[in-house]
Amino acid sequence: NAGVTQTPKFQVLKTGQSMTLQCAQDMNHEYMSWYRQDPGMGLRLIHYSVGAGITDQGEVPNGYNVSRSTTEDFPLRLLSAAPSQTSVYFCASRGKGPAYNSPLHFGNGTRLTVT
Amino acid sequence: EDQVTQSPEALRLQEGESSSLNCSYTVSGLRGLFWYRQDPGKGPEFLFTLYSAGEEKEKERLKATLTKKESFLHITAPKPEDSATYLCAVLRFGNEKLTFGTGTRLTIIP
Repeated sequence: NAGVTQTPKFQVLKTGQSMTLQCAQDMNHEYMSWYRQDPGMGLRLIHYSVGAGITDQGEVPNGYNVSRSTTEDFPLRLLSAAPSQTSVYFCASRGKGPAYNSPLHFGNGTRLTVT
Repeated sequence: EDQVTQSPEALRLQEGESSSLNCSYTVSGLRGLFWYRQDPGKGPEFLFTLYSAGEEKEKERLKATLTKKESFLHITAPKPEDSATYLCAVLRFGNEKLTFGTGTRLTIIP
């Protein structure tokens, strides 16, 4: 079991460029989510999905798009990168059942720098 | 709005020196409080879930406790491999989204 796999590990973009952060899990988890982690701030939810074909916005969705065509994959797209999107991005998934009874499993993150 | 405050921001201990990390929270109806460990360059790793005041959970040198306003992560006789950032998060009744604190960076000096 690889768990949650994120690629790439590091990425540098210029302002205005677009890119997709990849996330895949092999635990057959229905719920998947994207967080960003910035110094001095807690992890903040960007988007999440409760199953294939279903996505919803989190706390900080602006500038990001997601789709969920399969159970395994949940890519995060930056349409036009801005310096404010410089951050470490984590993908997380959890199994069936309510959130209080099913802790999140995190990937190892993508460190993104926008210049 | 749910709030989670962790203190101290950073803590340096000698190997074997026991201490506690604090997680204070404000949430209208706590459904669960989660502790995670995060190593540098890695994603958070789940440690414990606490559900009600008075509950305690243990794992090796770590013990988590919960009151109506805060949670403590007690570390007994720590070793250098316990060095990490420890994150606390809360879940409110009727909500499926966690609110995270900013973490405590723990360094254990050999």
